[in-house]
Amino acid sequence: DAGITQSPRYKITETGRQVTLMCHQTWSHSYMFWYRQDLGHGLRLIYYSAAADITDKGEVPDGYVVSRSKTENFPLTLESATRSQTSVYFCASRTGTSNEQFFGPGTRLTVL
Amino acid sequence: AQKITQTQPGMFVQEKEAVTLDCTYDTSDQSYGLFWYKQPSSGEMIFLIYQGSYDEQNATEGRYSLNFQKARKSANLVISASQLGDSAMYFCAMREGNTGGFKTIFGAGTRLFVKA
Repeated sequence: DAGITQSPRYKITETGRQVTLMCHQTWSHSYMFWYRQDLGHGLRLIYYSAAADITDKGEVPDGYVVSRSKTENFPLTLESATRSQTSVYFCASRTGTSNEQFFGPGTRLTVL
Repeated sequence: AQKITQTQPGMFVQEKEAVTLDCTYDTSDQSYGLFWYKQPSSGEMIFLIYQGSYDEQNATEGRYSLNFQKARKSANLVISASQLGDSAMYFCAMREGNTGGFKTIFGAGTRLFVKA
């Protein structure tokens, strides 16, 4: 499908397990982002990437790992999930010159 | 440090009336961009409008306009002729650097309820 997709859309896991959230975009946008959305906090940036093999921390990176070996993919890994990581996760992308970020549909993650 | 403040957790407006959603920001940069996004109950994030810090005129997109007051560091969203479909969460956001900056920060959001 064209656009930006996230998988899975819903995930329930247990404390201590490793979880990977996938993000795929078909536009060849250079910039990609991971946000988490929690009530009362809006969206907070976890990690971002300016191009393949270039990533950097956002506001709340602790407990997360990212990689970007291909321009179109930007997976987010929770190495050892904690209950505080229960959230809705959004992936987004944009071109280098665009003002608009395009968001994926989100992944609702519950850590028990 | 960058900061976005939305002081209205919830707002009510009568259908067909105009409504203003408040947003103030804090940045030490001269070059920055301001955004508004809409999030309906279905959960997706929809881009509404953008204002660059050097833009002399307020941005408009259909029924949406951004009331940009640089000296007051405010970027309020005005929705004219509200419709029932406007009921949603609205987020104000800012990115330092008009196009080259990476990080966009978001406010906590305002939930708008449109009454029939």
